[in-house]
Amino acid sequence: KAGVTQTPRYLIKTRGQQVTLSCSPISGHRSVSWYQQTPGQGLQFLFEYFSETQRNKGNFPGRFSGRQFSNSRSEMNVSTLELGDSALYLCASSLAHSRVQETQYFGPGTRLLVL
Amino acid sequence: AQKITQTQPGMFVQEKEAVTLDCTYDTSDPSYGLFWYKQPSSGEMIFLIYQGSYDQQNATEGRYSLNFQKARKSANLVISASQLGDSAMYFCAMTLNRDDKIIFGKGTRLHILP
Repeated sequence: KAGVTQTPRYLIKTRGQQVTLSCSPISGHRSVSWYQQTPGQGLQFLFEYFSETQRNKGNFPGRFSGRQFSNSRSEMNVSTLELGDSALYLCASSLAHSRVQETQYFGPGTRLLVL
Repeated sequence: AQKITQTQPGMFVQEKEAVTLDCTYDTSDPSYGLFWYKQPSSGEMIFLIYQGSYDQQNATEGRYSLNFQKARKSANLVISASQLGDSAMYFCAMTLNRDDKIIFGKGTRLHILP
């Protein structure tokens, strides 16, 4: 079974631009979560989608948004990029049957550099 | 507030030795899950092991075992017979029954020496 895939793997943008990241979950997984990882803040939860609906959201500004399609693929968009948005963005998928027991499987991440 | 604490920012261990990575957690929820993930320099988070709060026995997966001490709120990862390929960042994480997000610790960077 193929794992979680994320595209692109690397991205360089300039301040003020916007960016869209894509995540394809493991086949059969309906939940997709997004995380931001930086050296200073560590791993921080952005949001989680299940059946095309945002089910949970972290403490990020409205510039960060996402969506999920009917095939469970998800996109994350960041508008008006700032230097501090430079990070590794990780996507994780799960079956989402049991919240506590659910193992989330991560993709390889997208490394975003904002200049 | 829910929190995961990993007190060891870095560790150096000789190859073939056993390693214990510390993790303590804080939650008032009776139902929770504890996870360990490995992150090599490539960036991908690799799931290693899971322990449920109601599980009576410690979880094991190959060379990985989780030393779960509920009263102490600790969930240490033990790697037996360490290998050079074990060099990576290791994250302890927790999920709660009322949430879908994972709470991660700051991580421990493990270096295996030949």
